[in-house]
Amino acid sequence: AQSVTQLGSHVSVSEGALVLLRCNYSSSVPPYLFWYVQYPNQGLQLLLKYTSAATLVKGINGFEAEFKKSETSFHLTKPSAHMSDAAEYFCAVSLNNAGNMLTFGGGTRLMVKP
Amino acid sequence: ETGVTQSPTHLIKTRGQQVTLRCSSQSGHNTVSWYQQALGQGPQFIFQYYREEENGRGNFPPRFSGLQFPNYSSELNVNALELDDSALYLCASSSTLSGGQVYGYTFGSGTRLTVV
Repeated sequence: AQSVTQLGSHVSVSEGALVLLRCNYSSSVPPYLFWYVQYPNQGLQLLLKYTSAATLVKGINGFEAEFKKSETSFHLTKPSAHMSDAAEYFCAVSLNNAGNMLTFGGGTRLMVKP
Repeated sequence: ETGVTQSPTHLIKTRGQQVTLRCSSQSGHNTVSWYQQALGQGPQFIFQYYREEENGRGNFPPRFSGLQFPNYSSELNVNALELDDSALYLCASSSTLSGGQVYGYTFGSGTRLTVV
């Protein structure tokens, strides 16, 4: 069975500071991994996805994530936080290369202080 | 190109009632998935429909059922509503090619269901 654990349900950073949101996965086979962002009262927007190509994945809005098989991690980073980055972030895993039927983590709420 | 639209945006039902939620897929998409997102939690996969047939299901009881229509729109039906069914219900549409590759997995804004 596959699962995703996001460490830290709430993360607070100052504007301009590094953003680091942690995600660890459990999967018996090479997974496909995703990061989504959810703004209040909205659906989920794909930030980036890992599908067994380059281990460092660049996404939208300056975010990137690195797949580390030895650590079973797929942490999301952004060098400099903006106020507009405040939202809920979800890590997800899919066992099929279709990238659907996703298993999501519990989410991390990112707060950005001025 | 229109996105994924869900209706209604909010509704309130009484325990024991039945509810139908609707999803219009993005133009050109032939696959629809439904997720339940309880307050403060990540979405949970309910089921997926491809060409009007269910081709994947998560850990949800049979009182959660669905339909996909020839125009690829979809319904989620929940019978015998329970208080724990209160959640945001999200649908996602995508295009599945003959080789199984999926493109354009796009979420709607969801329907907020409150069961009282």
